[in-house]
Formats: sequence, C-alpha cells, structure tokens
Amino acid sequence: SQTIHQWPATLVQPVGSPLSLECTVEGTSNPNLYWYRQAAGRGLQLLFYSVGIGQISSEVPQNLSASRPQDRQFILSSKKLLLSDSGFYLCAWSVRSGNTEAFFGQGTRLTVV
Amino acid sequence: AQKITQTQPGMFVQEKEAVTLDCTYDTSDQSYGLFWYKQPSSGEMIFLIYQGSYDEQNATEGRYSLNFQKARKSANLVISASQLGDSAMYFCAMREPNTGFQKLVFGTGTRLLVSP
Repeated sequence: SQTIHQWPATLVQPVGSPLSLECTVEGTSNPNLYWYRQAAGRGLQLLFYSVGIGQISSEVPQNLSASRPQDRQFILSSKKLLLSDSGFYLCAWSVRSGNTEAFFGQGTRLTVV
Repeated sequence: AQKITQTQPGMFVQEKEAVTLDCTYDTSDQSYGLFWYKQPSSGEMIFLIYQGSYDEQNATEGRYSLNFQKARKSANLVISASQLGDSAMYFCAMREPNTGFQKLVFGTGTRLLVSP
C-alpha cells in the first residue's frame, strides 16, 4: 500500500534562518507531488506541484522554493525565513491522471519567531 | 478560475443525528471533480468522498453522502448518525479540470462539533 511520510512534525525557527521540509512517498511510482500551506483557521493554499523529477511549478510568488531530486521525494526550502512563513505545511501525492483523490502527509507545523 | 465557498464557519450537532455541511462552487468547466476532506485536530487531511461532474448518482461512502446539485453548483456533505469522532474541520475541494494532475482548490472549511 502507498504511504506518505513528512517530517518534521513541528519546527520552530528564527527569522532569517533556512528551512528544509522533506516528504517521501512509498508504494507508488511517478506520482504527482504537492506542497500546500494552511494558515491558522484557513483553507489550504497550493504552493508547488510537480509531475516529475526536476519539474516544479509554483502557484504563488513567495519566499519558498521546492525541489524533486528523486521520483518520490519532494523538498520545500527557504534560504531566509520570514514571520509570514509560519503555518501548517502539508505534502500530498496523487496518481498521474484520472479523477482520484490526493493523499496527504501528517503535516509540519512551522513557527517562525 | 475555480472557487469553492463554504459559508458555515461552525456547525453543531448532537450525537446520532444527521448534519449537512454546505459547499458551493464556481467553474465554467463542464468536467470537474469535487472532494470532501476531514481534518481532525492532529492536522492530517483525510479523504472522505468524491463526486465527478458527470456522475449521475450522488456519491456515498458509509455514513457520508454527497448531495450533488449540478445546476445549483452545490456539493453538500451529509453525515448521517453523527459520532463524537466526527468532530473536526471539513473542507470541500475542487479539482481543476483538464490539467492532468490533481490541483485541488479548497474552501475555507467548516468546523463540526458533535456533542453527546
């Protein structure tokens, strides 16, 4: 069966520090991968998606970047965190095509102080 | 652009009763998919139910059913026989069509509280 792992679960980082959140998927090949952010009490906003290794699309201009060095690995990064980067970050995957749901990781709660 | 609207920030229901969570959407596309997710306090997003725009029958999954009214562009979630464990945030989402991948656009969510 397919599983998605996301870590760390919580993170407190000072303003100006770098960020690296990692997400890996097991049990499937060639998945679509996604990074979402959820501000407190809000819905999910799509940040990045990827349809293959090295292929990254950004949905909103921001202080963050994403990379996909391997088929089932998706990384969210920042060189210098801002206070506004605080939030709940969720990684997700879906099969390449068709009307199927996306499966989410457990999420990372990031607090920038 | 697609848009999802959930007008109920919070809903209360007693255990064993049914509850309807509202969702309306806006799209000019003929082919699209609608999803409902549950987010408990742990934060994980749990898929509940899916409805395709061409599906003639309303989707059902156990105690969850989707009241799909295409002409009114609504896709309300009905939870029958509510349980205490149903207390959570519920999000309606739409898949942007013809993209070949699941770009889900989410509503702002409804917080459901089930009381004994």
